[in-house]
Amino acid sequence: QVQLQESGPGLVKPSETLSLTCTVSGASIFSYYWSWIRQPPGKGLEWIGYIYDTGSTNYNPSLKSRVTISVDTSMNQFSLKLSSVTAADTAVYYCARDGGLDYGGLIYWGQGTLVTVSS
Amino acid sequence: QLVLTQSPSASASLGASVKLTCTLSSGHSSYAIAWHQQQPEKGPRYLMKVNSDGSHSKGDGIPDRFSGSSSGAERYLTISSLQSEDESDYYCQTWGTGIRVFGGGTKLTVL
Repeated sequence: QVQLQESGPGLVKPSETLSLTCTVSGASIFSYYWSWIRQPPGKGLEWIGYIYDTGSTNYNPSLKSRVTISVDTSMNQFSLKLSSVTAADTAVYYCARDGGLDYGGLIYWGQGTLVTVSS
Repeated sequence: QLVLTQSPSASASLGASVKLTCTLSSGHSSYAIAWHQQQPEKGPRYLMKVNSDGSHSKGDGIPDRFSGSSSGAERYLTISSLQSEDESDYYCQTWGTGIRVFGGGTKLTVL
C-alpha cells in the first residue's frame, strides 16, 4: 500500500524559507510524478509543483520564483522549499503522487501538515 | 488557459441523489479529470477518473454509490443514496504538460 508522509517545521518566520519532506513507502519513487499541493485555512487546493524521478520539475507560475522541489531517490523522498514566506503562505501542505502512465490524477495523498508563518 | 469551474455549494437530502458539475475551459473539452473528496478536517481522497467519453474508473474502495459521467466540457460526479458521511468538499482536478489544476471545490451539504 502506497503511503506518503509529510514532515517539517510547523512554524516558520516571515521572510524565511519553508522546508518540507515527503517520505514515500510501499512504492518506488521511480516512474511517477510527485506533487506538492497546499490549502490555506478555509480555502481550496492549490497545486505548487511536481518532480519526476529524473529531477525534472514544473511549478505553478504564481509560485515559480520562490519554489524548489528536489528528489532523493536513495531515500525514497522528495522535498519542497518555499522562500521568502509571508502570512499568505500559511496552509496545510500535502504531498501526492500521480496515477502514472500519462495519468495526472493525484491518486495517493499524504495526510498533510500545517505550516504557520508567524514571528 | 486550463481552468476548472465548480459551483461553490450544493445540497441534497439524506438518501437522495446529487450530481456535481465540473466545467473545463474553452478548448479543453477533451480532457479527462479526477474527482477528490475532502471530509471535514481531513485530507483529500481520490475518488475516480472521468474521461471525455463518459467512462470512469474508481479508486480502490470507493463505493458503488459514486459514479462519473461527461457531456461536452462538463464532467459530473453523481452520488446516490446520500449518507451523512458524504457531506464533504468535492474537488475536480485535471492535468496537462507541466501542470496540474484544481477546481475551486463544491461544498456538499446533506440535509
